[in-house]
Amino acid sequence: NAGVMQNPRHLVRRRGQEARLRCSPMKGHSHVYWYRQLPEEGLKFMVYLQKENIIDESGMPKERFSAEFPKEGPSILRIQQVVRGDSAAYFCASSPTIGGNQPQHFGDGTRLSIL
Amino acid sequence: DQQVKQNSPSLSVQEGRISILNCDYTNSMFDYFLWYKKYPAEGPTFLISISSIKDKNEDGRFTVFLNKSAKHLSLHIVPSQPGDSAVYFCAASSNTGNQFYFGTGTSLTVIP
Repeated sequence: NAGVMQNPRHLVRRRGQEARLRCSPMKGHSHVYWYRQLPEEGLKFMVYLQKENIIDESGMPKERFSAEFPKEGPSILRIQQVVRGDSAAYFCASSPTIGGNQPQHFGDGTRLSIL
Repeated sequence: DQQVKQNSPSLSVQEGRISILNCDYTNSMFDYFLWYKKYPAEGPTFLISISSIKDKNEDGRFTVFLNKSAKHLSLHIVPSQPGDSAVYFCAASSNTGNQFYFGTGTSLTVIP
């Protein structure tokens, strides 16, 4: 399966712990987007990255959240000192090129639960 | 600040009839509009898109209509099939594609 791979599918953390969410884009895709979906809401843009660069992080909370897309390996969304409000589904999407008309290919998401 | 809105959380349609899903937006600078379909526990999958310079795009059973003056678009599915039952998200973007704005989704149920 050459689709977007996210792991883990489910992640449980206690308040104050760190959460690391991984995303491997489709082969040949160098553009990665992260979204968050809170219960009963739509997908909210968080950050757009290209290899080794953060292009747009205007949707990321100012504190505790960070993202990277290294030259080698998956993109990582990191949440430090998690709180109950971080419980959500986090989706990663990739595309081969940039442009508003480029459909994004989504992974199946990571469901993060904070105890 | 919800720039893309889907005001109908759910819709039920008989198999074989037309499903019409609606979407409104506030930003007149959007250049592209896309529809995604999402099954439970899966990620969204792309369905169809339309450029702001067009008013209609058709792909098989799916047609998207864009009314720029009303800042409104709709997705028509005809004939509707039970396998179309899913949540449908409307999304919008500028030409750069740095950000995509999604609506809150409409859950479509096609009744056999």
